[in-house]
Amino acid sequence: AQSVTQPDIHITVSEGASLELRCNYSYGATPYLFWYVQSPGQGLQLLLKYFSGDTLVQGIKGFEAEFKRSQSSFNLRKPSVHWSDAAEYFCAVGPNSGGYQKVTFGTGTKLQVIP
Amino acid sequence: GAGVSQSPRYKVAKRGQDVALRCDPISGHVSLFWYQQALGQGPEFLTYFQNEAQLDKSGLPSDRFFAERPEGSVSTLKIQRTQQEDSAVYLCASSLGGGRTGELFFGEGSRLTVL
Repeated sequence: AQSVTQPDIHITVSEGASLELRCNYSYGATPYLFWYVQSPGQGLQLLLKYFSGDTLVQGIKGFEAEFKRSQSSFNLRKPSVHWSDAAEYFCAVGPNSGGYQKVTFGTGTKLQVIP
Repeated sequence: GAGVSQSPRYKVAKRGQDVALRCDPISGHVSLFWYQQALGQGPEFLTYFQNEAQLDKSGLPSDRFFAERPEGSVSTLKIQRTQQEDSAVYLCASSLGGGRTGELFFGEGSRLTVL
């Protein structure tokens, strides 16, 4: 069964500092991988996704993530954090096969940005 | 509509009451998912529809939970005889479908509080 681990429950960074949020997945083959962001009281919004090809993917709001098959990881990065990035971030994994699209989410990492 | 719409946004129920939560997906989206998000947790899969067919209901926590999508568009999640442990945000998401895991578009959720 597919699963996702986000080891950091809460991260605090200073505005302008770099950010890396960790994500490890478990899946029998190469999965589809996603990062979503959730602001308070809002639904989840897709930041970026990996399906195949280049292992470094670019997303919205200046975020990027790198798929590392050997480490079963898909860490999210941003070179310079803005106060508006404060939110909760969820890594997710889905099947790389046709027909059924169940997506499994991690427990999330809450990002706090301090001035 | 432009996005996924859920109603009601907030619902308070007394223990033992029945509740119905509605999801109006993006027009033309084949796939529809329900997730349950408890406080401080990631979304947990409940059930999945492809058009009107419920292809997976393995995440429904008990037989008190029932979901339908009779015409392949609007979906309703019904919870009978609500219990305190049912308190959570219920998220609906839709995607284009077409047999490949894709981006999920989420509604803002329905927050259920059972007293």
